[in-house]
Amino acid sequence: DIQMTQSPSSLSASVGDRVTITCRASQTISSHLNWYQHKPGKAPKLLIYAASSLQSGVPSRFSGSGSGTDFTLTISSLQPEDFATYYCQQSYGTPGTFGQGTKVEIK
Amino acid sequence: QITLKESGPTLVKPTQTLTLTCTFSGFSFSTSGVGVGWIRQSPGKALEWLALIYWDDDKRYSPSLKSRLSITKDTSKNQVVLTMTNMDPVDTATYYCAHRTSYYYGSGTYYNWFDPWGQGTLVTVSS
Repeated sequence: DIQMTQSPSSLSASVGDRVTITCRASQTISSHLNWYQHKPGKAPKLLIYAASSLQSGVPSRFSGSGSGTDFTLTISSLQPEDFATYYCQQSYGTPGTFGQGTKVEIK
Repeated sequence: QITLKESGPTLVKPTQTLTLTCTFSGFSFSTSGVGVGWIRQSPGKALEWLALIYWDDDKRYSPSLKSRLSITKDTSKNQVVLTMTNMDPVDTATYYCAHRTSYYYGSGTYYNWFDPWGQGTLVTVSS
């Protein structure tokens, strides 16, 4: 299996902060990388697909970058509704493994 | 609008077989590239990819669970069924089904992702 490693595992930030989450694959996955937002009791929500494409309806403060093995999710100005857990997922191989998640908490 | 909803037992006993049904609307398995996947999240843990079935009935499983999983589809009912045998308390989790989109970017490259997801169903394994 391709292993996905996210960092940090959690972070505390304030509204308006710029937040960066990184995801590293154990082998090259080109741009086959997706990002999801997950809130307790809710269905995970797709934010970014193909490493950098913003899903329709997702605010432009979310952006993704990277290719190969190293990827980044950036929230340019954190909003109250953004406090959640974020997961990267590789779709290059089967199984489509997820990272361990990054919990974004209120500072 | 695509929607998916999981259904099945909330409580199963150890060694029993779990059967979960994903009922969907807004898409069809008659469309090339379509897939439905199952993903779970154990309490306090990360998301775990379990299985995926494609429009052409191709099936993929997590290698670590392959011997215990089976995924099937009923095109006429717009349903996908996941069965997991020999359930154990460590299998206690919220189980999600999700629509898999496949998009051709050119040069032989397809990208795919899960969107949307169902609301999930919590399954507890306990005697």
